[in-house]
Amino acid sequence: QVQLVQSGAEVKKPGASVKVSCKASGYTFTAYYIHWVRQAPGQGLEWMGIINPSGGSASYPQKFQGRVTMTRDTSTSTAYMELSSLRSEDTAVYYCARVGGSYYSLDYWGQGTLVTVSS
Amino acid sequence: QSALTQPASVSGSPGQSITISCTGTSSDLGDYNYVSWFQQHPGKAPKLMIYEVRNRPSGVSNRFSGSKSGNTASLTISGLQAEDEADYYCSSYTSSSTWVFGGGTKLTVL
Repeated sequence: QVQLVQSGAEVKKPGASVKVSCKASGYTFTAYYIHWVRQAPGQGLEWMGIINPSGGSASYPQKFQGRVTMTRDTSTSTAYMELSSLRSEDTAVYYCARVGGSYYSLDYWGQGTLVTVSS
Repeated sequence: QSALTQPASVSGSPGQSITISCTGTSSDLGDYNYVSWFQQHPGKAPKLMIYEVRNRPSGVSNRFSGSKSGNTASLTISGLQAEDEADYYCSSYTSSSTWVFGGGTKLTVL
């Protein structure tokens, strides 16, 4: 069965960077795009970008351009999301999610990774 | 890209039907049939309930249905059950080749 298992919680200081991993299993890793979505405490979902695990190309919304980098390692079927210049507003649960039967749907989700930014 | 607009909360009694609206613009929801709906219980990851406006993934109850008219999409839940109490989010693909979510709607089953 399809599984996305994310790395554990992180605590970072303002100005630092964080790298969250998302290990995929149960399917051909390079066949499905992966999204990253975050959710601040008590808030809604926010789309952060998408990566094509096959070629490695990624696309980000303007809000995160220059601060987020999405990569992948096909040898371990793992996708990564790195966010730099962290500030308190980046405190959130970060999710990876795989597209499904439709390129435009997010069918399978990881369990989420809490990133806390605090001095 | 602004978030899609959803009501903050809706409520209904067991057995009733409720509808959650999701309003966008001609640059996202109005121009594409790539609207999805997600259910999220507290402390859990979102779960896909509807994709491409009205399609249900395997395993999702047929009590959940989706539709769209113009710049507004809707999620209808019929025969409300206690387990349906959760937050619901809509999302849409946009003309900027990005995705955007709604602000979320808290469903309370009375």
